[in-house]
Amino acid sequence: AQKVTQAQTEISVVEKEDVTLDCVYETRDTTYYLFWYKQPPSGELVFLIRRNSFDEQNEISGRYSWNFQKSTSSFNFTITASQVVDSAVYFCALSHTGANSKLTFGKGITLSVRP
Amino acid sequence: GAVVSQHPSWVICKSGTSVKIECRSLDFQATTMFWYRQFPKQSLMLMATSNEGSKATYEQGVEKDKFLINHASLTLSTLTVTSAHPEDSSFYICSARDTRDSTYEQYFGPGTRLTVT
Repeated sequence: AQKVTQAQTEISVVEKEDVTLDCVYETRDTTYYLFWYKQPPSGELVFLIRRNSFDEQNEISGRYSWNFQKSTSSFNFTITASQVVDSAVYFCALSHTGANSKLTFGKGITLSVRP
Repeated sequence: GAVVSQHPSWVICKSGTSVKIECRSLDFQATTMFWYRQFPKQSLMLMATSNEGSKATYEQGVEKDKFLINHASLTLSTLTVTSAHPEDSSFYICSARDTRDSTYEQYFGPGTRLTVT
């Protein structure tokens, strides 16, 4: 069985602060994908990143960075110099590979960035 | 590329009536589509997996006779909520998997907000 835990439920920061969203996962598969999605108030899911389990390199995209650590089964997401537009719910998700793969979502973290 | 649309974006219906939600892959073929339900302040829960030309596979606890899924073409899947009740009010999101994509990634639609009065 797969499981994704996002222990933080709500985070509030002031604009320009850095914030890290934690994600811990459980899976018996050796090959899998990890994802982060952003869900703004409009409701539409915005894809942020997909990471293959074989690729443990950290990734940076502008103000976003991701730290994948297989040893601790974690895939944390950091927003540097947060902005009000970053306010949203962020979901971490896990899927195994293959034609029958399904996405398992964490419960989400509500991030509020105050001006 | 990889755009998924949903129609309608929101719908209000009376208790006891049925409502149909469409999910279309606009620029790719999708052998497999997924339907999720999201209650306020909760995560997405997978309801069913829809495969073109075959019966949908429902997750445990989802009533197949209440949530009818039809995936008649490679670009269209529909979810019909039959005899809707207020507790069915939710945000319904579909996703589609590009048949040619070996990563099996899912592309999400914008969601349909259903309110049953």
